[in-house]
Amino acid sequence: AQSVTQPDIHITVSEGASLELRCNYSYGATPYLFWYVQSPGQGLQLLLKYFSGDTLVQGIKGFEAEFKRSQSSFNLRKPSVHWSDAAEYFCAVGKSNFGNEKLTFGTGTRLTIIP
Amino acid sequence: NAGVTQTPKFQVLKTGQSMTLQCAQDMNHNSMYWYRQDPGMGLRLIYYSASEGTTDKGEVPNGYNVSRLNKREFSLRLESAAPSQTSVYFCASSVYPGQKYEQYFGPGTRLTVT
Repeated sequence: AQSVTQPDIHITVSEGASLELRCNYSYGATPYLFWYVQSPGQGLQLLLKYFSGDTLVQGIKGFEAEFKRSQSSFNLRKPSVHWSDAAEYFCAVGKSNFGNEKLTFGTGTRLTIIP
Repeated sequence: NAGVTQTPKFQVLKTGQSMTLQCAQDMNHNSMYWYRQDPGMGLRLIYYSASEGTTDKGEVPNGYNVSRLNKREFSLRLESAAPSQTSVYFCASSVYPGQKYEQYFGPGTRLTVT
């Protein structure tokens, strides 16, 4: 069965600093990989997704993520964070075949931004 | 477009009471989903509906029932609430089933069972 690990429960960074959120997945075939963001009191919003092709994917709000098959990782990065990036971030993995198989979500990483 | 809407936003129930969580989407999506979110657990799929007229169990269906009322609406019912069902519930929709299609989430319903 597929699984997702987000090893960092909580990360604090200074505004303007760079950010990397870690995500490791376990899945036997080529996965579909996603990053979602959840602002306080809100639902989840898709930041970016990877299905195939270029392993560096660009998303909304200046985020990017890199798929590394050899490391089973899909880490999220942003070169310079803004106070509005404070939120909870979820990595998710889905199967690469058509069907309604569920997305498996990680447990999330809460990001705090300090001035 | 309102996207995905959920009612109510907050609810407190006593053990054994029943209630229905409502979800509606105005994006003409075919597929709809119910998730629960618990601290340290991420989101877990309760039930989903790949298309109007079909529903299937997800990862944690026990204690819940669903109804796909029409293409727009997908409700989640707790027949006899238990404290273990205290959670935040999210409804989502996608244009088609399958992981390549983005899921759009509602704002959530925070449910407390005492």
